Amino acid sequence: SQTIHQWPATLVQPVGSPLSLECTVEGTSNPNLYWYRQAAGRGLQLLFYSVGIGQISSEVPQNLSASRPQDRQFILSSKKLLLSDSGFYLCAWSVVLGSAGVYGYTFGSGTRLTVV
Amino acid sequence: SQELEQSPQSLIVQEGKNLTINCTSSKTLYGLYWYKQKYGEGLIFLMMLQKGGEEKSHEKITAKLDEKKQQSSLHITASQPSHAGIYLCGADRGSTLGRLYFGRGTQLTVWP
Repeated sequence: SQTIHQWPATLVQPVGSPLSLECTVEGTSNPNLYWYRQAAGRGLQLLFYSVGIGQISSEVPQNLSASRPQDRQFILSSKKLLLSDSGFYLCAWSVVLGSAGVYGYTFGSGTRLTVV
Repeated sequence: SQELEQSPQSLIVQEGKNLTINCTSSKTLYGLYWYKQKYGEGLIFLMMLQKGGEEKSHEKITAKLDEKKQQSSLHITASQPSHAGIYLCGADRGSTLGRLYFGRGTQLTVWP
């Protein structure tokens, strides 16, 4: 079966410290991978997406970066966290369903990051 | 920028009442997805609509996509406390398939 693992579930980090959030997918090959952030009072914002190993596209300028060292591994990083980096981070993957070009998306359980 | 507008932003209803959440786009939608989220948790997939005029139902939840594929509604019949949560609509844009963009969400509270 297809599953997505995201950890840790919660994280409290001081301002200026580094960040590494990891996401791994099982049961599928060559998925599209995504990082989203949900800040208080705002919707889900797409941060990064990847269509393959080493291929990363950024949606918004920010203090974060992403990497995809393996087909089913997606990492969100920061060298120095800011207070504004606090939020709920979700990893997701998608694959094309059938021949109609429709994508199916699956989300992880999220990481609550609090920068203090 | 938020290209998907969801309304209302929050909704408080009594158990047993019907309710509707709307999602509107200024651009043609090539795939409209509805998700439910409990606070602090991941997204649970509800339904996906692709064709103009399409309607899907699951248990007491019905989602519709209008003929122009620019507006979708999510209707809950006889709401229950278990329906409480945040409802999010997301859409694939025609020029960027494979990237899902979301509205701000609707916070639903159902009181007994």
